Amino acid sequence: GIQVEQSPPDLILQEGANSTLRCNFSDSVNNLQWFHQNPWGQLINLFYIPSGTKQNGRLSATTVATERYSLLYISSSQTTDSGVYFCAGVLTGAGSYQLTFGKGTKLSVIP
Amino acid sequence: EPEVTQTPSHQVTQMGQEVILRCVPISNHLYFYWYRQILGQKVEFLVSFYNNEISEKSEIFDDQFSVERPDGSNFTLKIRSTKLEDSAMYFCASVRQANTEAFFGQGTRLTVV
Repeated sequence: GIQVEQSPPDLILQEGANSTLRCNFSDSVNNLQWFHQNPWGQLINLFYIPSGTKQNGRLSATTVATERYSLLYISSSQTTDSGVYFCAGVLTGAGSYQLTFGKGTKLSVIP
Repeated sequence: EPEVTQTPSHQVTQMGQEVILRCVPISNHLYFYWYRQILGQKVEFLVSFYNNEISEKSEIFDDQFSVERPDGSNFTLKIRSTKLEDSAMYFCASVRQANTEAFFGQGTRLTVV
């Protein structure tokens, strides 16, 4: 199966700071998604971004499918952004539609 | 906005007992999944279900696990004889069609004691 590497594994930010989270895939993927897992354990869909760039408020994401990576940008971070951010993708052409997740980036935003 | 709903949100069960976790996928979705997340670890695929049958399963999904879509709305995961290591957050997900965005439920936190 594909390997999904996320970096950094942990990140501490001062409120108001910006950050970039990265997701690398070992193979070509479809259906790349970013999730935020909140303190209650819920997985919140952030972006469905197989390629290109999308923005939603203070968050934006870019996927460069040919180079097998995706980036999540958080600007002007707030304490409510704290939690774990996961990327996940579906291996292209495998006939399988399961999402393979990375280990996540744990973000802590301090006031 | 349509969403995937899971019940219960928390369940505590004794080792060896059977548990059934329930999910109501988004109504016009065709593919259904169960994933699990052991505390502090990544989310792992268990099983996918399409056209009333299992389409794919992982090594984790052994004979103790089964899935069912008993009616047009519910999708269930049954663990026949729970073990301590089954303690985890279980997520249900649904997809409208292949290679489109997956939507996850809020999860069921299962604790086996």
